[in-house]
Amino acid sequence: GAVVSQHPSRVICKSGTSVKIECRSLDFQATTMFWYRQFPKQSLMLMATSNEGSKATYEQGVEKDKFLINHASLTLSTLTVTSAHPEDSSFYICSAPRGQGHHEQYFGPGTRLTVT
Amino acid sequence: LAKTTQPISMDSYEGQEVNITCSHNNIATNDYITWYQQFPSQGPRFIIQGYKTKVTNEVASLFIPADRKSSTLSLPRVSLSDTAVYYCLVGDKDSSYKLIFGSGTRLLVRP
Repeated sequence: GAVVSQHPSRVICKSGTSVKIECRSLDFQATTMFWYRQFPKQSLMLMATSNEGSKATYEQGVEKDKFLINHASLTLSTLTVTSAHPEDSSFYICSAPRGQGHHEQYFGPGTRLTVT
Repeated sequence: LAKTTQPISMDSYEGQEVNITCSHNNIATNDYITWYQQFPSQGPRFIIQGYKTKVTNEVASLFIPADRKSSTLSLPRVSLSDTAVYYCLVGDKDSSYKLIFGSGTRLLVRP
């Protein structure tokens, strides 16, 4: 069964509004989670590393003020796309490492964001 | 994090064995090789991981030569449901777990 969930699975919002996407680890704790973005027919692009209890680490070129990340608990990380625009429309995926000593990661099912 | 190179796409037919090779010339001593599968509009799914020689699980086999500069994912007797994108990644097990995805290989299995 799924070990990482995301909510919502798809969302449509108007340009200029903000959208929050939740990523939850089920039955395990994740001090670190990762957020990716994927455009059609392209690979996953790492956006940021979400760290429980501290600030997220953003990849080069990703605006931290636009993509707000909060990792308030050991099982929940949220990504808020602020003032969304049509070019933010994409598939957002989160992941969490299986655990210490394992390179395997569990990925969420993804969230399809469409900004109109 | 070592960069990987894979074929952009591959075609196969049901029942055939499919081998997807990944090049990772700059792999570090502590790096492991991991393969993920992704279906459209879904998150990637772990397939297999290895360090050297051969690893086999219920889904696939992973062949890694002695120099570890490449690896081959082998899918035995593919079915239509194996049509997906396959990603090869290398990284340190004890690192921050950050994964950098390459372009992946789009496998199409035909009837």
